[in-house]
Amino acid sequence: GNSVTQMEGPVTLSEEAFLTINCTYTATGYPSLFWYVQYPGEGLQLLLKATKADDKGSNKGFEATYRKETTSFHLEKGSVQVSDSAVYFCALSKGAGGTSYGKLTFGQGTILTVHP
Amino acid sequence: DSGVTQTPKHLITATGQRVTLRCSPRSGDLSVYWYQQSLDQGLQFLIQYYNGEERAKGNILERFSAQQFPDLHSELNLSSLELGDSALYFCASSSRKVAGGSEQFFGPGTRLTVL
Repeated sequence: GNSVTQMEGPVTLSEEAFLTINCTYTATGYPSLFWYVQYPGEGLQLLLKATKADDKGSNKGFEATYRKETTSFHLEKGSVQVSDSAVYFCALSKGAGGTSYGKLTFGQGTILTVHP
Repeated sequence: DSGVTQTPKHLITATGQRVTLRCSPRSGDLSVYWYQQSLDQGLQFLIQYYNGEERAKGNILERFSAQQFPDLHSELNLSSLELGDSALYFCASSSRKVAGGSEQFFGPGTRLTVL
């Protein structure tokens, strides 16, 4: 079945440091890939997405590129802020066919803490 | 604010009881998804409805059931509750029947505590 694996956390960085959170996936065909962010006490918000190979999703300074050859979708940000402290989830979804019907399969989440 | 509402925010109950969680999707969204977030299992898909019909099932226990009503709101019913059912339950909605590539909008969640 489909699965998503994220790098082990938690990740602790100083403000303005470079961030990478690794994400790899296992899926047949061509899934869509997402990064969601969860701030304390809140629901999940879509951060960025990519729907086909070599697509780059970007939002709020975060970027991730859909790499089919390495089945990866690593999240990066050049300079993190304290306000980026949250839990980050990598996820995939498949289209029609079988029993997928667009459900999201999530990685285990990575806790990011940014210190001033 | 995602536009998805969930009630109640918190629910504390005892083992063996039954509870109902409610979700109202974004205006115009026909698809509703339910997810469970727990420390040991992470975020797991439970079930999806599209315009009143069940479309996909995930790791949903037989003690759990859901439905989507004509006004598109959805309810998740959890019965014979066990300690291990304590978790955050999220509802998400999407405008498309098949969400591949399209965004799912998440509600703030209902935190269920079973004592």
